[in-house]
Amino acid sequence: GAVVSQHPSWVICKSGTSVKIECRSLDFQATTMFWYRQFPKQSLMLMATSNEGSKATYEQGVEKDKFLINHASLTLSTLTVTSAHPEDSSFYICSASSGRYGYTFGSGTRLTVV
Amino acid sequence: DAKTTQPTSMDCAEGRAANLPCNHSTISGNEYVYWYRQIHSQGPQYIIHGLKNNETNEMASLIITEDRKSSTLILPHATLRDTAVYYCIVDLTGANSKLTFGKGITLSVRP
Repeated sequence: GAVVSQHPSWVICKSGTSVKIECRSLDFQATTMFWYRQFPKQSLMLMATSNEGSKATYEQGVEKDKFLINHASLTLSTLTVTSAHPEDSSFYICSASSGRYGYTFGSGTRLTVV
Repeated sequence: DAKTTQPTSMDCAEGRAANLPCNHSTISGNEYVYWYRQIHSQGPQYIIHGLKNNETNEMASLIITEDRKSSTLILPHATLRDTAVYYCIVDLTGANSKLTFGKGITLSVRP
């Protein structure tokens, strides 16, 4: 089946620094990838749609200058959390449309900002 | 906003069938019903999807009512590893689709 690899699985960073999260489709090409955020005991919230070769589309209320998305190839999308603060601590998950298998999700990245 | 409603939680005994209901009364004709599950601290896992016919795969069966306003996910022989949050989602396929998650149903499988 389709596999999406997400890295790192967890990261701790200091307040004010930036953190980059990578999302790779390993055995298929993904022109569109999605980034979600999930707070404890809550559902996944869609943050943005990442389109290969073009600008990402952000959901209402998501700051595009804070959450930078780059989708430079058909197999890689990155999410950079800039100037991270403790309230950005969350579980970040990416997904990609994999055709027959619907949407395949990465294993998630646990971000803790201290 | 999510287009589906699910009970908050349910439980079942190990080895028994787990029937998870979902209401999607506003589903449009070209929207599919998807089921995903999320085990604690992991990314969601695809289970099954369908348009109007019942579907079965190695993981589960999906029963969609004739009017398509509701569906049931069936795990035929639940195991402890099936304990998870199960999300029922309706969505288009193709370029205009993006999965929007509701609150899901927490399934607890007891020994």
